[in-house]
Amino acid sequence: EAGVAQSPRYKIIEKRQSVAFWCNPISGHATLYWYQQILGQGPKLLIQFQNNGVVDDSQLPKDRFSAERLKGVDSTLKIQPAKLEDSAVYLCASSLIGSAGNNEQFFGPGTRLTVL
Amino acid sequence: GENVEQHPSTLSVQEGDSAVIKCTYSDSASNYFPWYKQELGKRPQLIIDIRSNVGEKKDQRIAVTLNKTAKHFSLHITETQPEDSAVYFCAASPNGGATNKLIFGTGTLLAVQP
Repeated sequence: EAGVAQSPRYKIIEKRQSVAFWCNPISGHATLYWYQQILGQGPKLLIQFQNNGVVDDSQLPKDRFSAERLKGVDSTLKIQPAKLEDSAVYLCASSLIGSAGNNEQFFGPGTRLTVL
Repeated sequence: GENVEQHPSTLSVQEGDSAVIKCTYSDSASNYFPWYKQELGKRPQLIIDIRSNVGEKKDQRIAVTLNKTAKHFSLHITETQPEDSAVYFCAASPNGGATNKLIFGTGTLLAVQP
């Protein structure tokens, strides 16, 4: 089966600009996650969707970050305006369901964002 | 909230030796503990996981042990090979896994010297 798809793979912007990332999860996966991975650190969950509803966005900087999953399939993550500290790899992951049982999360290749 | 600590941050072993990576977690209700391997510039990939009702799980050269009382779990790799070189992340699913949320450790860079 096809894996999690993300685009673009790389993005370079200047601070205060806007950027958007796209993710297409594995077909049939109800749960979608966006993670931020700063160089040398583990992934940090930004937001989790179950179908098109938000399950957890407690770590999402809502003053500048937004995400949507309107039809319960693909998702976009937006940063507006970007700051230098947003430079990171943004990983999208998906899983069959979002509760105990089928826990495995499958990751996409990520988008490497550089903010200058 | 849940906190996951991982040690060591770097580990260098000779090919054929064993490698052990240790993690501790804070939320006693955590019930799912996966380990991911991330090669340079690649996506994290699940290599093994364990649930809180099991104390040990093994898959060929890889094993994971869990001590719920002490709230720590470990990854053991035996007969290491150069292709085992990567960053390894432990993670824990807090709150009884109600939402499948994962909290990741800070990673261990494993270098296997040929």
